[in-house]
Amino acid sequence: EAGVAQSPRYKIIEKRQSVAFWCNPISGHATLYWYQQILGQGPKLLIQFQNNGVVDDSQLPKDRFSAERLKGVDSTLKIQPAKLEDSAVYLCASSLLAGGPLQTQYFGPGTRLLVL
Amino acid sequence: GQSLEQPSEVTAVEGAIVQINCTYQTSGFYGLSWYQQHDGGAPTFLSYNALDGLEETGRFSSFLSRSDSYGYLLLQELQMKDSASYFCAVYGGSQGNLIFGKGTKLSVKP
Repeated sequence: EAGVAQSPRYKIIEKRQSVAFWCNPISGHATLYWYQQILGQGPKLLIQFQNNGVVDDSQLPKDRFSAERLKGVDSTLKIQPAKLEDSAVYLCASSLLAGGPLQTQYFGPGTRLLVL
Repeated sequence: GQSLEQPSEVTAVEGAIVQINCTYQTSGFYGLSWYQQHDGGAPTFLSYNALDGLEETGRFSSFLSRSDSYGYLLLQELQMKDSASYFCAVYGGSQGNLIFGKGTKLSVKP
């Protein structure tokens, strides 16, 4: 079974530029998550999708971050414009059914973003 | 609000046993999970405790005390490949989402 795929693996941009990250979850997984992991900290949930609907985006900075999962499969996370403090690893995860404690989340390798 | 406390670093030798503690405060609690993350790698699921007690999976065990808002991860017969960061994470809050601690960096020395 293929794991969660993410691209690109690394990205360096200047502040105020835009950037987009792509995630393809494990086949058949209904729930997809985007996390932000700042160096030295644990992952922080940004947004959770179930199929193509948003379940929780309470911690997504909506003035600059957006995400979509149009066909209920792969997803894109965008930052526009980027700030220095957005430098982090952006992790995508998926789980088979609805989110919550009975569903193991499987993480992708992440996209490491550096904003200069 | 939610908070999780775990030691920032732990060092141990090969073959030893190490315990990583985690205390938590959260509104709404459904269970405690542990994840392992090697440098530059993805977090990988290790264990999940919903009820009080000890869960054992090979060399790793995880414990939960809901009344004490406390859990730990026990790693036995340490190997060099166990050098990684270990995160406790609670399913909590209004949505029952995963909330991670800051992680404990485990260094295993020969």
